[in-house]
Amino acid sequence: DIVMTQSPDSLAVSLGERATISCKSSQSVLYRSNNKNYLAWYQQKPGQPPKLLMYWASTRESGVPDRFSGSGSGTDFTLTISSLQAEDVAVYYCQQYYTTPQLTFGGGTKVEIK
Amino acid sequence: EVQLVESGGGLVQPGRSLRLSCAASGFTFGDHAMHWVRQAPGKGLEWVSGISWNSDSINYADSVKGRFTISRDNAKNSLYLQMNSLRAEDTAFYYCAKDWKKTTGTFFDYWGQGTLVTVSS
Repeated sequence: DIVMTQSPDSLAVSLGERATISCKSSQSVLYRSNNKNYLAWYQQKPGQPPKLLMYWASTRESGVPDRFSGSGSGTDFTLTISSLQAEDVAVYYCQQYYTTPQLTFGGGTKVEIK
Repeated sequence: EVQLVESGGGLVQPGRSLRLSCAASGFTFGDHAMHWVRQAPGKGLEWVSGISWNSDSINYADSVKGRFTISRDNAKNSLYLQMNSLRAEDTAFYYCAKDWKKTTGTFFDYWGQGTLVTVSS
């Protein structure tokens, strides 16, 4: 199974500042035939289910603010919140779907306000 | 509006069984694969099982293989998870999640609110 490792476990960022979350996979999730990275990002606010933010590593889900962006390829990926808002306090998870049907998540990164 | 509503959770003794249900609405249920994802209290997400649109492809995490059975009824817009031989480590919130595609598994574009399963004597 592909192991997804996120870092840091938690981070505190001032309102309006940038937050950067890393996700590394134990093997590449880039499918060469279509040049797509099989990676998604989710946001989970306290007491709520996860919400899809990003798929194909960098495609924003409909309705997701453009301050959220995804980047990276192969084994190294980043989720960036360009200007942190209070409503962005949450735990963020990456998930690979390269080794479908076996799907795996990263351990999560908690984002708080400094 | 897409809605996924889980039910059937509760307190159960180790070794016993429980059946979870997920009622879907707001989309063409038979056009999508479906999954169960769980989350132990205060912990991360773990994919449990997935089923293709026509039930031809069914898959499980190693942690539940042989004990859990996923099924669906497209006529009733419903997803199920039969959980047998439950263990303390199965204690978690169980989420029903809609796959982006018909065949298993890609990413999950909608999630239910979850139902809590507690395995304890």
